[in-house]
Amino acid sequence: AQSVSQHNHHVILSEAASLELGCNYSYGGTVNLFWYVQYPGQHLQLLLKYFSGDPLVKGIKGFEAEFIKSKFSFNLRKPSVQWSDTAEYFCAVTLTGGGNKLTFGTGTQLKVEL
Amino acid sequence: NAGVTQTPKFRILKIGQSMTLQCAQDMNHNYMYWYRQDPGMGLKLIYYSVGAGITDKGEVPNGYNVSRSTTEDFPLRLELAAPSQTSVYFCASNDSPSTEAFFGQGTRLTVV
Repeated sequence: AQSVSQHNHHVILSEAASLELGCNYSYGGTVNLFWYVQYPGQHLQLLLKYFSGDPLVKGIKGFEAEFIKSKFSFNLRKPSVQWSDTAEYFCAVTLTGGGNKLTFGTGTQLKVEL
Repeated sequence: NAGVTQTPKFRILKIGQSMTLQCAQDMNHNYMYWYRQDPGMGLKLIYYSVGAGITDKGEVPNGYNVSRSTTEDFPLRLELAAPSQTSVYFCASNDSPSTEAFFGQGTRLTVV
């Protein structure tokens, strides 16, 4: 069964620090990869996605992620975080041709301090 | 732009009661999902549907039922509520495996 692992459960950063959140998936087929963000009290919103082409994808609000197929990874990065980036971040995967089960990781709580 | 609409937003149930969480989308999406979100556990897939008349179990289907009689609606039924079903429930929909999923605002359910 496909699964998604996020190793950082809680991250605390100061404003302007760089961010990298890890995401690994277990499935070896053709995957579609996503990062979603959930701001306090809100529903999930898409940050960025990868389904083919350039493995470095750019999303909203200065976020980017790199798909490394050999490592089954899709890490999220941002060069300089802001206080408003405080939120929970979820990595997710679907499998092309696999019934479209959208599977999420356990999430990373990011707190950015002023 | 309605998107994905969930009702109710909050509900308190007594053990053994039943209820239906409603979910409707107006984007003509074929795929719809129900998740529950518990602290530190991420989102767990309860049931999903790839089109009207077709539903399938996710990771945690026990204690829940769904139906998909129309493209727009995907209600989630709890027959005998248990405290373990206290959670936040999210409905979502998308076009295909490679496209963005749109989420409802969530239903916070407490079973006492």
